[in-house]
Amino acid sequence: AQSVTQLDSHVSVSEGTPVLLRCNYSSSYSPSLFWYVQHPNKGLQLLLKYTSAATLVKGINGFEAEFKKSETSFHLTKPSAHMSDAAEYFCVVSDVVGDMRFGAGTRLTVKP
Amino acid sequence: KAGVTQTPRYLIKTRGQQVTLSCSPISGHRSVSWYQQTPGQGLQFLFEYFSETQRNKGNFPGRFSGRQFSNSRSEMNVSTLELGDSALYLCASSLVGSATNEKLFFGSGTQLSVL
Repeated sequence: AQSVTQLDSHVSVSEGTPVLLRCNYSSSYSPSLFWYVQHPNKGLQLLLKYTSAATLVKGINGFEAEFKKSETSFHLTKPSAHMSDAAEYFCVVSDVVGDMRFGAGTRLTVKP
Repeated sequence: KAGVTQTPRYLIKTRGQQVTLSCSPISGHRSVSWYQQTPGQGLQFLFEYFSETQRNKGNFPGRFSGRQFSNSRSEMNVSTLELGDSALYLCASSLVGSATNEKLFFGSGTQLSVL
């Protein structure tokens, strides 16, 4: 069965410093992996997705994630955090069509 | 193009009652998924409908059910409400629903409070 674990429930960084949000997955097949972001009082928005074309995936707003099969990881990074990045981030795995499983979420706080 | 529309936005019910939530996907989208979001459990997959058939189901009791109509609109029903059913219920749609890598488009959700 597919599942995903987000290793940090809360990450706090200073503005201008790098962001690292960690995600490990479990899947019996070659999964598709995603990162979604949820800003307060707003809906979920796709940041990026991995679909086996390239292990380093670039998304919107300067975020990127690297798929590492040997480590079953799909960590999200950004070189320099902005205040507007403060939100809840969800790692998602799917290896069955129509069935996507979300991680518990990581709340990112950005300090001025 | 209109996004995913969920109605109502807020709902207050009492224990034992039942509730029906509605979701209109983006025009042309054929797959509709439902999720329950709570502070303690995060986002949990309820079920997914494609072409009026439930194709996938999460680990929720039978009190949670849904259906999809021929125009792809979907409804979710919860019977015999419990306090623990209080949550934000999110609906998401995708275009074809034939691959694992399809992007989901989310609605703003229905906030259900059970008193």
